[in-house]
Amino acid sequence: GENVEQHPSTLSVQEGDSAVIKCTYSDSASNYFPWYKQELGKGPQLIIDIRSNVGEKKDQRIAVTLNKTAKHFSLHITETQPEDSAVYFCAANTGFQKLVFGTGTRLLVSP
Amino acid sequence: GAGVSQSPSNKVTEKGKDVELRCDPISGHTALYWYRQSLGQGLEFLIYFQGNSAPDKSGLPSDRFSAERTGGSVSTLTIQRTQQEDSAVYLCASSNTGNLGAFFGQGTRLTVV
Repeated sequence: GENVEQHPSTLSVQEGDSAVIKCTYSDSASNYFPWYKQELGKGPQLIIDIRSNVGEKKDQRIAVTLNKTAKHFSLHITETQPEDSAVYFCAANTGFQKLVFGTGTRLLVSP
Repeated sequence: GAGVSQSPSNKVTEKGKDVELRCDPISGHTALYWYRQSLGQGLEFLIYFQGNSAPDKSGLPSDRFSAERTGGSVSTLTIQRTQQEDSAVYLCASSNTGNLGAFFGQGTRLTVV
């Protein structure tokens, strides 16, 4: 079955710096890759996603890139702010829509 | 409502008791997931429903765990003879066939004492 690996597990940056979180997947049939942000005490929230027919997608300060050949995709956050501090999860679809999640990255943005 | 609704938000139960957790998905969403999240940990897949297909139960940790989805909408996760290690946040998510993004509820925090 699909296996999604995510790293780093923790990431500390200074406010204003960029943060990059990387994920790899194993199923070459995967074609949908969402990213979720989970704040303390809340459920994960979908923040951006990318489909396999594009290589990059941007939404303000966040962007995702996808390399299908290498089977990896990344989340990029620019000009980080303290409110970006959270746990981020990547995911990939497999089979009939089922999502498989990475293990999460705890991002801490220090003022 | 507009989002995924879970109830109760918090549940404290005695070891050995049975509990039922409820999930109301977004109207029209055909896929529904249950995940478990222990404190500070990642998302542990439990079970996946998709339309009328047989559910994927491969993540259920033991036969004390079961889930139903009636009428393709509301789902109930049942844990029998609860143990302390069952203490966690149980998250439900739903998605639309045409849009693969899954939307999560706020979760049910289960504490077994």
